[in-house]
Amino acid sequence: KAGVTQTPRYLIKTRGQQVTLSCSPISGHRSVSWYQQTPGQGLQFLFEYFSETQRNKGNFPGRFSGRQFSNSRSEMNVSTLELGDSALYLCASSLMRGSSYNEQFFGPGTRLTVL
Amino acid sequence: TQLLEQSPQFLSIQEGENLTVYCNSSSVFSSLQWYRQEPGEGPVLLVTVVTGGEVKKLKRLTFQFGDARKDSSLHITAAQPGDTGLYLCAGGDDKIIFGKGTRLHILP
Repeated sequence: KAGVTQTPRYLIKTRGQQVTLSCSPISGHRSVSWYQQTPGQGLQFLFEYFSETQRNKGNFPGRFSGRQFSNSRSEMNVSTLELGDSALYLCASSLMRGSSYNEQFFGPGTRLTVL
Repeated sequence: TQLLEQSPQFLSIQEGENLTVYCNSSSVFSSLQWYRQEPGEGPVLLVTVVTGGEVKKLKRLTFQFGDARKDSSLHITAAQPGDTGLYLCAGGDDKIIFGKGTRLHILP
């Protein structure tokens, strides 16, 4: 079956702009989690959506937001971009709510560069 | 705050050698996972360990969960160039946290 897809794969924006990233989970998966990956901080949890509801949120400012649609597809939005937002944004889907008991399937990520 | 510390950060060894990488915490985890990430791709789950003292084998990879469930190790026997990648450990019941990873490079 098809894996997790993320669009776009690469994105270049300037400071102050906003950006929307998209994630399509594996068919039948109801949980979608978003992570930010940087060389300095590694993989950091942004938020998780399950059945269209945000279930958990990491320690990121309110400029980072997301939503999940009825077909489980999810979008992540970052407003007022800062240079430090340059990162690889990864989306992961799982059948049940995210935990280290359950297998998460990651997409290839969206590489965001903020100039 | 739960933290996972991985060591070493970088490891470059010759093909055929053995190696061990570590994932440590001061907190107890109900389970830990190991992922491998290759350039341009997302992490891929290798194993989940749940029981303290548990040992799991995946071909040449051996994973161990500490008795106190605060640490885990990954041992690779006779490393091959295909083992090259970023190895990440992860844990958590609600918010999954990741270690910063061990970047492994196997020289042919």
